[in-house]
Amino acid sequence: GAGVSQSPSNKVTEKGKDVELRCDPISGHTALYWYRQSLGQGLEFLIYFQGNSAPDKSGLPSDRFSAERTGGSVSTLTIQRTQQEDSAVYLCASSFRGLAGGTSTDTQYFGPGTRLTVL
Amino acid sequence: KQEVTQIPAALSVPEGENLVLNCSFTDSAIYNLQWFRQDPGKGLTSLLLIQSSQREQTSGRLNASLDKSSGRSTLYIAASQPGDSATYLCAVGSYIPTFGRGTSLIVHP
Repeated sequence: GAGVSQSPSNKVTEKGKDVELRCDPISGHTALYWYRQSLGQGLEFLIYFQGNSAPDKSGLPSDRFSAERTGGSVSTLTIQRTQQEDSAVYLCASSFRGLAGGTSTDTQYFGPGTRLTVL
Repeated sequence: KQEVTQIPAALSVPEGENLVLNCSFTDSAIYNLQWFRQDPGKGLTSLLLIQSSQREQTSGRLNASLDKSSGRSTLYIAASQPGDSATYLCAVGSYIPTFGRGTSLIVHP
């Protein structure tokens, strides 16, 4: 079956512009995560969606970042007024259950990422 | 705050060697630990997932162990091959997974 897909694969934008990054999770997966990977850094958690619950936005670095998930499936990460420090690879992952009953989580499947370059 | 450290940061070995990658974490209250592989310019591929109640998982030439009390996990790769060359990341799932910075592995023929 299809894996997690992300678009675009590469995005070059000018400082101050808004960008939208898209993630299509695996069909049937209830949990969706966004991460950011900067050069030489580990993966930085951004936001987590679980089913129809309110998302966990605790990782968003500033109010310029927002994300939504429509119909429990496709998610869009929006960065407003981009800055050069926003340049990174943005990775999306989905899992079947996510945090299930507060006891365990299951395997995350990652998309190929979107490489964002802010000039 | 959970902190995850991976040692070594980089490793270069000849083909055929058995090798061990290390992952340590500061908060033992975890749900699971997952090992991933990342190829250059690609996303992450899950290798092994160990639930907090388990001590190890095996898949082919890979074996991962988990010792929650000491805050450590190891990924053992047997009979390494050039195709194993990649960056290996561990992720500790206390709620939101916390990732280490990875071990960059090169296996040369």
